[in-house]
Amino acid sequence: EPEVTQTPSHQVTQMGQEVILRCVPISNHLYFYWYRQILGQKVEFLVSFYNNEISEKSEIFDDQFSVERPDGSNFTLKIRSTKLEDSAMYFCASRRQGNTGELFFGEGSRLTVL
Amino acid sequence: DAKTTQPTSMDCAEGRAANLPCNHSTISGNEYVYWYRQIHSQGPQYIIHGLKNNETNEMASLIITEDRKSSTLILPHATLRDTAVYYCIVRVNTNAGKSTFGDGTTLTVKP
Repeated sequence: EPEVTQTPSHQVTQMGQEVILRCVPISNHLYFYWYRQILGQKVEFLVSFYNNEISEKSEIFDDQFSVERPDGSNFTLKIRSTKLEDSAMYFCASRRQGNTGELFFGEGSRLTVL
Repeated sequence: DAKTTQPTSMDCAEGRAANLPCNHSTISGNEYVYWYRQIHSQGPQYIIHGLKNNETNEMASLIITEDRKSSTLILPHATLRDTAVYYCIVRVNTNAGKSTFGDGTTLTVKP
C-alpha cells in the first residue's frame, strides 16, 4: 500500500540553526500538508500546498517557515532559524485530487531544538 | 469548520464493541464528519467519513444521527491494538481544506 514517507525520523539541532524536513507524498496525490504536534498537545495545522503554491497557512507558519516542492516528488518544510519552541513532531500529509478530504499522514519527524 | 466535542477518555474490554461519540451540533449542510486515530505518537490514520448516511468499512462503522448533530464511531470487536486517541473532525469537502484536530478521545482497550 502506498504511503507517505518522511526523513529524518529524528533530528537534533542547536537553536538558531536551519532545519529541512523532507517528505515524499503518495505519487498521485496533489495536495500536501504539514502539521506539527508538540509533546502532549494537539495536532496543529501549519500549511497546505497545491499547484506549487501555498493554499492556506496558520498563524504558526510565520516567515521563519517555508515549504517547497523542488523536484515533483519531495515536499520540504524549512525552518530558517530554529527556536526551542519549535521542538515537536512534524507530520507531512497528502491527499489525492477531488473533494474527498481523506488525508494520508507520514510517521513524522521528531525535531529537538537545544 | 464546525466545532466538535468528544469525551476525554473511554475504556473498552477487548473483543467488545467500542462506541465513541462525537457532538457536532453546529454542523452545516455541506460539512462531512471524519474520524482519524493516532496510535501513540505515530501519524494520524484515517478511519472513515460520512455526510449523512451511515457508513461501514473494514475498520469501523459510522452512525450519524438524522439531524446530523452527533455521530458515533463503532469499532465492532476492539483489540489491544485499537488503543489510541480518536479524533472526530467536521469539515467541508473542498479541494484546499485543512483538517482541524481537537483533543480527541483516548480509548484504552483492556484485556
